[in-house]
Amino acid sequence: AQTVTQSQPEMSVQEAETVTLSCTYDTSESDYYLFWYKQPPSRQMILVIRQEAYKQQNATENRFSVNFQKAAKSFSLKISDSQLGDAAMYFCAYRSAETSGSRLTFGEGTQLTVNP
Amino acid sequence: KAGVTQTPRYLIKTRGQQVTLSCSPISGHRSVSWYQQTPGQGLQFLFEYFSETQRNKGNFPGRFSGRQFSNSRSEMNVSTLELGDSALYLCASSDPGTVETQYFGPGTRLLVL
Repeated sequence: AQTVTQSQPEMSVQEAETVTLSCTYDTSESDYYLFWYKQPPSRQMILVIRQEAYKQQNATENRFSVNFQKAAKSFSLKISDSQLGDAAMYFCAYRSAETSGSRLTFGEGTQLTVNP
Repeated sequence: KAGVTQTPRYLIKTRGQQVTLSCSPISGHRSVSWYQQTPGQGLQFLFEYFSETQRNKGNFPGRFSGRQFSNSRSEMNVSTLELGDSALYLCASSDPGTVETQYFGPGTRLLVL
């Protein structure tokens, strides 16, 4: 079974600064997808970014980018120019591409605080 | 397109009762998954339905069940409620394709007294 670990329960960053959230995962599969979701106080889960494991290029979405290290099974999220609206719980998630279905395995989450 | 909708948004039940939660996926999405979120256990996968068939199931007791209708709307049912069933229940839908990215609804917050 796959596991996802987020070792930072809480992180804080100053507005306009850069912060990196860590995620590691354990799998014996070679084909899979990785995601970062944010969950603000409204509790709505919002997709931030996704990465296909077969792609060597790191995904980017505006101020959000990932550092995907397949051999190390590491998938960190970098948020540049942090904004107050980035404050949320961030979850790293894994999905197999070798079995049918969309089932996600989530990490424990990292609570991000953005200080003005 | 309208997003994933879930009803009701909030629910209070007592132990022993049963509850039914509803989820309407994004138009065109045929897969619906359910997750339970609690402070102690985090986000846990309940089950997934695709074209009215259960495609995956998590490690939950048989009191948790679900179904999907021909229009892809899904319901989950919890019978004989326990205090520990108090949680946020999230529904997600995905578009059939290579990545099948899941998009989440706002959740139903269930409180069992």
